[in-house]
Amino acid sequence: NAGVMQNPRHLVRRRGQEARLRCSPMKGHSHVYWYRQLPEEGLKFMVYLQKENIIDESGMPKERFSAEFPKEGPSILRIQQVVRGDSAAYFCASSPAGGQSGEAFFGQGTRLTVV
Amino acid sequence: GENVEQHPSTLSVQEGDSAVIKCTYSDSASNYFPWYKQELGKRPQLIIDIRSNVGEKKDQRIAVTLNKTAKHFSLHITETQPEDSAVYFCAASGGNTPLVFGKGTRLSVIA
Repeated sequence: NAGVMQNPRHLVRRRGQEARLRCSPMKGHSHVYWYRQLPEEGLKFMVYLQKENIIDESGMPKERFSAEFPKEGPSILRIQQVVRGDSAAYFCASSPAGGQSGEAFFGQGTRLTVV
Repeated sequence: GENVEQHPSTLSVQEGDSAVIKCTYSDSASNYFPWYKQELGKRPQLIIDIRSNVGEKKDQRIAVTLNKTAKHFSLHITETQPEDSAVYFCAASGGNTPLVFGKGTRLSVIA
């Protein structure tokens, strides 16, 4: 069991470019969560997805950010026209079921640096 | 929505002493309370969790207690070791909701 896989581990983008972050959940897990972590800070919830469905996107900025979890392939977090304030570690977690039913396990994160 | 408060933000203990981290939550519907440990530059790792039908759970040197009436839960680490030094996060969720995290506690164990 390879665990939650995120790539790339490190991503450098110039202001205005697009950043695309990928997350493959653990085998058997159908729920994916994205969190953002600024240096020396906690984990801020962004979005909760199941296959082909966005369940909760209350933590997503209204503009430039989008997420998907297609029927086939990894979950994608996309940030368009990146700005310096987007620099952070983005963690993906997966669970076999939502909320109370399953533990959430984290990937190693993607560290985005906007220059 | 759920709001989780965590205290203290930093904690220093002598090796061998105990460490206690406390969290409160706001949503009475929350019923799952995990704790994660995050070492510098690494992913958060689940170390212990508790569900609302249990008041206490122990795993070797780590224990978690839950008071549903007061809406608070705590992490206890006994006989601390230098490798326990890390940032610890509590979290809460209920039903089909995602985990909401506290802001973390930076634990330093001094040898």
